[in-house]
Amino acid sequence: EAQVTQNPRYLITVTGKKLTVTCSQNMNHEYMSWYRQDPGLGLRQIYYSMNVEVTDKGDVPEGYKVSRKEKRNFPLILESPSPNQTSLYFCASKVRGSSNTEAFFGQGTRLTVV
Amino acid sequence: RKEVEQDPGPFNVPEGATVAFNCTYSNSASQSFFWYRQDCRKEPKLLMSVYSSGNEDGRFTAQLNRASQYISLLIRDSKLSDSATYLCVVNRVAAGNKLTFGGGTRVLVKP
Repeated sequence: EAQVTQNPRYLITVTGKKLTVTCSQNMNHEYMSWYRQDPGLGLRQIYYSMNVEVTDKGDVPEGYKVSRKEKRNFPLILESPSPNQTSLYFCASKVRGSSNTEAFFGQGTRLTVV
Repeated sequence: RKEVEQDPGPFNVPEGATVAFNCTYSNSASQSFFWYRQDCRKEPKLLMSVYSSGNEDGRFTAQLNRASQYISLLIRDSKLSDSATYLCVVNRVAAGNKLTFGGGTRVLVKP
């Protein structure tokens, strides 16, 4: 089954404790991205990757890091989480070549930083 | 001004009725347009792409007006299961194939 898998689904952590949210896709997609969703603000892009070893900032990259060492994986790293990073996070992947292709989303990670 | 704007609703719709809502986008270089559906904080899922000539998928009809920079979604014969948030999404290849999301329009279909 074609899917994007995120882990963990739920996470409560303390300020400053480094964490990683994993994202893996099995569709051989070149393009992967991370979004956060907050009430009243919609989904905003954090980082994206056009292919292995190619990453770039989205609209709200501050406080986040990513890596793309393998095509299927695109982890999101919070080196020193803060309460304003409490949010619902989605990873997505799609075929890179065409603009008119469907993006597939993971089930989301609900992060609370206290 | 947000790049993609939607009426947040909610649109309260009697079962069986028709509901329509729009989305406006500010960047004329936007190339591709989509409607995604999102159920109660679950992941967004593609409902339909929006083509220049307009397109229909069952009870759903999408229209694109490039001159006025808006897209629309019409739902006919609304079902209870149509209750969801509908996200308007635009794509610009020049911006790294970036998807930009509207804030969503909430639709509640009631018996």
